[in-house]
Amino acid sequence: DIQMTQSPSSLSASVGDRVTITCRASQGIRNDLGWYQQKPGKAPKRLMYAASSLQSGVPSRFSGSGSGTEFTLTISSLQPEDFATYYCLQYNSYPYTFGQGTKLEIK
Amino acid sequence: EVQLVESGGGLVQPGGSLRLSCEASGFTFSGYDMSWVRQAPGKGLEWVSGISGSGGRTNYADSVKGRFTISRDNSKNTLYMQMNSLRAEDTAVYYCVRGWGSDWGQGTLVSVSS
Repeated sequence: DIQMTQSPSSLSASVGDRVTITCRASQGIRNDLGWYQQKPGKAPKRLMYAASSLQSGVPSRFSGSGSGTEFTLTISSLQPEDFATYYCLQYNSYPYTFGQGTKLEIK
Repeated sequence: EVQLVESGGGLVQPGGSLRLSCEASGFTFSGYDMSWVRQAPGKGLEWVSGISGSGGRTNYADSVKGRFTISRDNSKNTLYMQMNSLRAEDTAVYYCVRGWGSDWGQGTLVSVSS
């Protein structure tokens, strides 16, 4: 099975900050990776697919990059509504696997 | 508009069974692989099982293999998960997910406790 190692597990930042979250795959997954945002009590929402493609309706301050084994999600200028938990998901091969999550908190 | 509506969750004793359903609308159901993803209270997301659009191919996480069975009825636009031999560690919100996670249902809570 492919393991996804996500870092950091938590992050404190301020409105307007630029933040980066990383996911590393235990083996190459091409660009078969998505990023998700989850707020308390809600279902996850997809932000990115194919590592760097922005989901329709998602603000352009979100961007993704990477291929193979290393991937990043960047938020260029944090907004109040961005404080949430973020997950990566590899869908290159079954079983699909998620990263452990990154909780983004207000500093 | 894509809609995924789960049902069938509830409280069940250890060793018991439950069947979850997910009614889909707003897209050509048979054209998409579907998955179940769960989230234990206060924990991260765990992919549980997936099924191809035709239903001919299924996959499972090791944690549920041999106990859970995913299926679908494309004539009813409905995804199912039959869960047997339930354990306390299966307690979670179960989400129905389209494709590679483009759309999610609101989730249904499964609680396994005596």
